[in-house]
Amino acid sequence: QQPVQSPQAVILREGEDAVINCSSSKALYSVHWYRQKHGEAPVFLMILLKGGEQKGHEKISASFNEKKQQSSLYLTASQLSYSGTYFCGTEMAPKPNSGNTPLVFGKGTRLSVIA
Amino acid sequence: DTEVTQTPKHLVMGMTNKKSLKCEQHMGHRAMYWYKQKAKKPPELMFVYSYEKLSINESVPSRFSPECPNSSLLNLHLHALQPEDSALYLCASSPLRGGEKLFFGSGTQLSVL
Repeated sequence: QQPVQSPQAVILREGEDAVINCSSSKALYSVHWYRQKHGEAPVFLMILLKGGEQKGHEKISASFNEKKQQSSLYLTASQLSYSGTYFCGTEMAPKPNSGNTPLVFGKGTRLSVIA
Repeated sequence: DTEVTQTPKHLVMGMTNKKSLKCEQHMGHRAMYWYKQKAKKPPELMFVYSYEKLSINESVPSRFSPECPNSSLLNLHLHALQPEDSALYLCASSPLRGGEKLFFGSGTQLSVL
């Protein structure tokens, strides 16, 4: 089932912060975050596996609340290069003897950073 | 080598043409995927291969025919496509266990005339 992302779009000035949310009605095994620029493939940002886990990647970090099946991506002191569409991808628990379950992507959040 | 290589990068084809998209990885990943992405939409899963066997087919029309000749290669054969099939086609691979990232290829931008 497709996760729900919010907001759909956000415009920031350089240096401002933003939060992108991703939620699922199903129990999640992991949450993945990707950024995609127009005409290019998605670029991996991070995976969150454990409840309450928080990870950081330069000025981009994320958290995963396993109880609420929610993840948030935090962008601080945004730069022009942060512009793009951010997708969360959710993974259900692996099936026995079948390996992983494929990622299902949210509809995306279009982020525009302006000077 | 931590790349997924897709060819061609761009493809224009007529509705009566037959073409193939190719994907290659040498990371030892036993799961390989085809995703389709329309403009301003998320990637949508088409097919999954696990250990070179088709494990998931998301009700994709038969004009798309996947093939996994060996553990490193994944093809998508295209025949009699429609203009609405124009999209970015993404190949990806991953280890066959949970909690692992997808490695995406750079994609093939397909235009059907």
